[in-house]
Amino acid sequence: NAGVTQTPKFRVLKTGQSMTLLCAQDMNHEYMYWYRQDPGMGLRLIHYSVGEGTTAKGEVPDGYNVSRLKKQNFLLGLESAAPSQTSVYFCASSNTGVGANVLTFGAGSRLTVL
Amino acid sequence: DAKTTQPNSMESNEEEPVHLPCNHSTISGTDYIHWYRQLPSQGPEYVIHGLTSNVNNRMASLAIAEDRKSSTLILHRATLRDAAVYYCISSGGYQKVTFGIGTKLQVIP
Repeated sequence: NAGVTQTPKFRVLKTGQSMTLLCAQDMNHEYMYWYRQDPGMGLRLIHYSVGEGTTAKGEVPDGYNVSRLKKQNFLLGLESAAPSQTSVYFCASSNTGVGANVLTFGAGSRLTVL
Repeated sequence: DAKTTQPNSMESNEEEPVHLPCNHSTISGTDYIHWYRQLPSQGPEYVIHGLTSNVNNRMASLAIAEDRKSSTLILHRATLRDAAVYYCISSGGYQKVTFGIGTKLQVIP
């Protein structure tokens, strides 16, 4: 049971480069989320999706784009990376977005922008 | 959504019980209380959740105050593997949830 898988685990980019982080879940969950975690700031929601073909902005969406073309995948894109986007990124999924449903997180993707 | 307040850090001796407090004074009647923990260099993992009644599972117990304005996560016998950051969240929807900095638990051998 893989759960939530994130690729790549580590990446170094130069300012202005683009990249995509892939999140895949095998639990048939409807909801998927992308968070970033910076030292001393906890987890902040970037974008989320409530189902295939849908996306919505979270708390800190600027500089990121997302797509959910398939139910099991949620992609996070950086079109022009900036040093402020150096962070650890976590993907999560849940069956629904409310109540008793719990989040399952991936192991994280550490991104460094030089 | 209810804002939660937790101590930044706590210490516990190994094999002793640990009580991690959380205040959520603005919780609404349908909001669940969830606890997650994050081990070093890993993603957060689910620990336990509840609505009104106290809950037990293999990892921990959750004690919820009668007025639901606070809760306590109880680790019955802390081990070194329990050293982690513990997050308490309360919301009607994860798209509205903010994970604060949580409580960093240090377990002393």
